[in-house]
Amino acid sequence: AQTVTQSQPEMSVQEAETVTLSCTYDTSESDYYLFWYKQPPSRQMILVIRQEAYKQQNATENRFSVNFQKAAKSFSLKISDSQLGDAAMYFCAYRRIDNYGQNFVFGPGTRLSVLP
Amino acid sequence: DTGVSQDPRHKITKRGQNVTFRCDPISEHNRLYWYRQTLGQGPEFLTYFQNEAQLEKSRLLSDRFSAERPKGSFSTLEIQRTEQGDSAMYLCASSLGGGELFFGEGSRLTVL
Repeated sequence: AQTVTQSQPEMSVQEAETVTLSCTYDTSESDYYLFWYKQPPSRQMILVIRQEAYKQQNATENRFSVNFQKAAKSFSLKISDSQLGDAAMYFCAYRRIDNYGQNFVFGPGTRLSVLP
Repeated sequence: DTGVSQDPRHKITKRGQNVTFRCDPISEHNRLYWYRQTLGQGPEFLTYFQNEAQLEKSRLLSDRFSAERPKGSFSTLEIQRTEQGDSAMYLCASSLGGGELFFGEGSRLTVL
């Protein structure tokens, strides 16, 4: 079974600085999707960024980018120019490529604080 | 608002009582998922539906838990004879096929 690990329970960053959140996963599959979801306090979880494993190019969405290292099974999230609104729980998630069954696995999360 | 909606947002109950949560997914989404989330943890899968069929249930889902999606639209999650260990956030998510999940704001259950 696939597992997702986030080794940093909490992180903090100064406003306008850059922070990197770590994620590793375990799978025997060669093709899959990886996601970062953000859950602000008392608000719903929203998708930040996604990466298809067959793509070598790292995904980027505005201030958010990933460092996808397939051989190392590592998928870190970099937040540049951090803003107060970035403060949230961040969950790394793995999704099997097939559409059968319950195909998402979430990590335990990293709580990010942004300091003014 | 065409997102996923959940009701109630917060439920406080006494141990032994039954509770029911409702989820209205995004209308064109055929998949609906229920997750449980405890403080400081990631979502744990409970069950999912494809249209009206419940296709998979987690071993976490004891026989006190039941979920339905009668017409392939909204879903209900019922917990019978609640226990203090059931206190958690219950998240609903929907998707088109097995794609990206869209989450509701969750229903927080507190069992006294």
